[in-house]
Amino acid sequence: GENVEQHPSTLSVQEGDSAVIKCTYSDSASNYFPWYKQELGKRPQLIIDIRSNVGEKKDQRIAVTLNKTAKHFSLHITETQPEDSAVYFCAARGRYSTLTFGKGTMLLVSP
Amino acid sequence: EAQVTQNPRYLITVTGKKLTVTCSQNMNHEYMSWYRQDPGLGLRQIYYSMNVEVTDKGDVPEGYKVSRKEKRNFPLILESPSPNQTSLYFCASSLSLAAETQYFGPGTRLLVL
Repeated sequence: GENVEQHPSTLSVQEGDSAVIKCTYSDSASNYFPWYKQELGKRPQLIIDIRSNVGEKKDQRIAVTLNKTAKHFSLHITETQPEDSAVYFCAARGRYSTLTFGKGTMLLVSP
Repeated sequence: EAQVTQNPRYLITVTGKKLTVTCSQNMNHEYMSWYRQDPGLGLRQIYYSMNVEVTDKGDVPEGYKVSRKEKRNFPLILESPSPNQTSLYFCASSLSLAAETQYFGPGTRLLVL
């Protein structure tokens, strides 16, 4: 089955800095890669996703890049703000399979 | 309002006492799933269902049962809970297995003594 590795497990940045979270996946058939944000005590919520036919996708301050050859994808957050503090999960899914999640990255943005 | 609901939100129980966590969605979604979340382990899938009467094991199904008799409901059953099932449980649903957006319920925090 699919295996998703996520790094780092914790990330501390100063407000205004950029943050990058990286994930690798094992199944070359995976074609959908979402990112979820989970604030403390809340449910995970989809913030951005990318399909395997696209190399990069942006939505305001967040972007996701995908390298199919290397089987890794990354989340980039620019101009971080304290409200970006949360746990972020990457995930991967094949055409007829279910989502496999990474172990999560706790992002702390200090004012 | 489109939503996924779970009950109860918090539960303390004792080893061996059967319990059921309910999950319901009002979006006519075909696909429903249960995850458990543990510190340092992320979200791990327990069971999923692609439609009524169609269920399948996820990555960590041991000790759990599910049923899907109606499209909107997908209860999670712990026949004989043990302390290692203490966890935060999330139900999720989406239009189909291939659909992009998966909607999560609010979570159920379970403590088994």
